[in-house]
Amino acid sequence: GAVVSQHPSRVICKSGTSVKIECRSLDFQATTMFWYRQFPKQSLMLMATSNEGSKATYEQGVEKDKFLINHASLTLSTLTVTSAHPEDSSFYICSATRGTKSYEQYFGPGTRLTVT
Amino acid sequence: AQSVAQPEDQVNVAEGNPLTVKCTYSVSGNPYLFWYVQYPNRGLQFLLKYITGDNLVKGSYGFEAEFNKSQTSFHLKKPSALVSDSALYFCAVGGATNKLIFGTGTLLAVQP
Repeated sequence: GAVVSQHPSRVICKSGTSVKIECRSLDFQATTMFWYRQFPKQSLMLMATSNEGSKATYEQGVEKDKFLINHASLTLSTLTVTSAHPEDSSFYICSATRGTKSYEQYFGPGTRLTVT
Repeated sequence: AQSVAQPEDQVNVAEGNPLTVKCTYSVSGNPYLFWYVQYPNRGLQFLLKYITGDNLVKGSYGFEAEFNKSQTSFHLKKPSALVSDSALYFCAVGGATNKLIFGTGTLLAVQP
């Protein structure tokens, strides 16, 4: 149990376009989902925390108008990178927790975004 | 503020030898500690966690970690390394919220 999927696994888009990444919890209801960004050979940087039915909470320095997060149901959160630029190219990883007192995060396989 | 440190960028070990990947933490209150492993271009896989209870925690794939409160450490260990253990290992700490703070990662290279 506790499987998290991401779609797509890889995406290439042109500068100025927007791209949407989906994160789904397949076999549990995720009360909270997290979005991370990982640069090559670096650690994960938390971008935002997403709770179902409410606005996402963004970490300091993350542009909420650029990285739109929607958590429409207990099994789906989406991250939309708007007006993408080459510097947005990165590995984006989501995670989900189940239950209100769970400290264990289940991670998706990640999405490699390349902006040309 | 919570923080976690992984002092080694890379650990090299021969197959069959014991391995240790170091992690120290700083958190106010009781820490929740985790180890994750990441293979190239993949997400993170959970290995083990310490929330409360026994200081020695056993996890997946034969890994274990010991919570040492006095040294504020949570080192990852395995008695006998496999080549397939070669990957990037992350230590993470959580506290009052369910946010996790990740260390910078340690690349484990197991030589055959």
